[in-house]
Amino acid sequence: GQNIDQPTEMTATEGAIVQINCTYQTSGFNGLFWYQQHAGEAPTFLSYNVLDGLEEKGRFSSFLSRSKGYSYLLLKELQMKDSASYLCAVRDQNSGYSTLTFGKGTMLLVSP
Amino acid sequence: DGGITQSPKYLFRKEGQNVTLSCEQNLNHDAMYWYRQDPGQGLRLIYYSQIVNDFQKGDIAEGYSVSREKKESFPLTVTSAQKNPTAFYLCASKEGGSRIQGRGELFFGEGSRLTVL
Repeated sequence: GQNIDQPTEMTATEGAIVQINCTYQTSGFNGLFWYQQHAGEAPTFLSYNVLDGLEEKGRFSSFLSRSKGYSYLLLKELQMKDSASYLCAVRDQNSGYSTLTFGKGTMLLVSP
Repeated sequence: DGGITQSPKYLFRKEGQNVTLSCEQNLNHDAMYWYRQDPGQGLRLIYYSQIVNDFQKGDIAEGYSVSREKKESFPLTVTSAQKNPTAFYLCASKEGGSRIQGRGELFFGEGSRLTVL
């Protein structure tokens, strides 16, 4: 099975930087995803890491260390619209089937 | 525009009734998935299908059933055997089936919120 841990809630101020951590334990690791989900809506894809290192995309960056089973999502220049739940998900490839297992999500509240 | 359409968006059901949630995609994706989300919880996998006429149980398949007769469609039936069916249900798809193509990220529908009265 898989175990994915991320903080339940975080708060930050508009314009600031916030880092959301995710740790995981899995066999057959084949990639880590971050999704953003606003309340009552579908998750939308933010970033993908399969090799160690940092992937940057605009205000959002994601880091992966496979040896440590660790990732983080970095959000810069926070805006009010960034208030949402951020889901860490790990892809597991076993026996020819690939599935995505999600963490419980981190609710980020951005205040003025 | 390509995408995933789930219907209905809101559904109310009496205890003991079966209900079917629709999921249709025109992205030409091979793989489709059903997830359930409860308040404060992450997404939990119910069923998935990597190819037409084949599907696999996920982590919480009990009380649910699916079919995959067409590539575009992957309906989920919530049966009366599901003890706590009130939840937000999300359908997703991915290109490439069991193969990983590109990032292989999931694309989600807008969700169906089921409430049992």
